[in-house]
Amino acid sequence: QLQLQESGPGLVKPSETLSLTCTVSGGTISSSSYYWDWIRQPPGKGLEWIGSIYYSGSAYYSPSLKSRVTISVDTSKNHFSLKLSSVTASDTAVFYCARWVSSGRKYDYWGQGTLVTVSS
Amino acid sequence: EIVLTQSPATLSLSPGERATLSCRASQSLANSLAWYQQKPGQAPRLLIYDASNRATGIPARFSGSGSGTDFTLTISSLEPEDFAVYYCQQRGSWPLLTFGAGTRVEIK
Repeated sequence: QLQLQESGPGLVKPSETLSLTCTVSGGTISSSSYYWDWIRQPPGKGLEWIGSIYYSGSAYYSPSLKSRVTISVDTSKNHFSLKLSSVTASDTAVFYCARWVSSGRKYDYWGQGTLVTVSS
Repeated sequence: EIVLTQSPATLSLSPGERATLSCRASQSLANSLAWYQQKPGQAPRLLIYDASNRATGIPARFSGSGSGTDFTLTISSLEPEDFAVYYCQQRGSWPLLTFGAGTRVEIK
C-alpha cells in the first residue's frame, strides 16, 4: 500500500522560506505513470494546487505562486520537496502531497497533510 | 485559467435522501473532471474520475455524470458517513489544475 508522508517545520516566520518534504513509501517515485504534487488548504477554506513534479525533475507551478515556489525530487531518497519563499500569514495552511495518475487524470493517494503556520 | 463553480455551497439533507451536486466549468473539459470527498481533519478522498468512473472501493450510491462544462455528482441515498465537503477538480489544460470551492453536505 502506497503511503505519502509530509514532514517539516510547523511554524515559519514571515518573510522566511517554508520547506516541506513528502516521503513516498510502498512504491517508487521513479515511475513514468505519475506526477507528484503539492496542494494546500488554508484553515476553513478550499483546496489550492501549488505544483507538480515528474521523477525526471520536470516541474510545473501554479501561476499565482510561480515566483515563490520550487519543487524538487530526490529519487534516491524516494521523496520530493516544496520550498515557498517570502511567506506571509496568508500562506498559513495545511499542505498535502499527493500522487497524480496521468492516465486516470486523478489524485489517487494523498498524504495526511501537515499544518504550517506563518507567524512571528 | 479554467474556473470551476460548484453549487450549491451548502446542501442540507436528511439521511436516506438524494444529493445532487453541480460543478460547472468556464471552458470545456471533455470528461476530465474528478470528485473528492473531504471530512474534517482528513485528506480528500477520490470518489469519481473522468467524470463518471467510480474509484476503487467507492460505494455504488456515488455516481458522476456530465461532460463539456456541466458535471454532476449524485449520492443516491445519503448515509451518515456521507456528510462532508465535496470538491470537483479539473486538469483540462495541462499542467494547470484547479478545484471548485466545494459543496458542504450537512445534516438537516
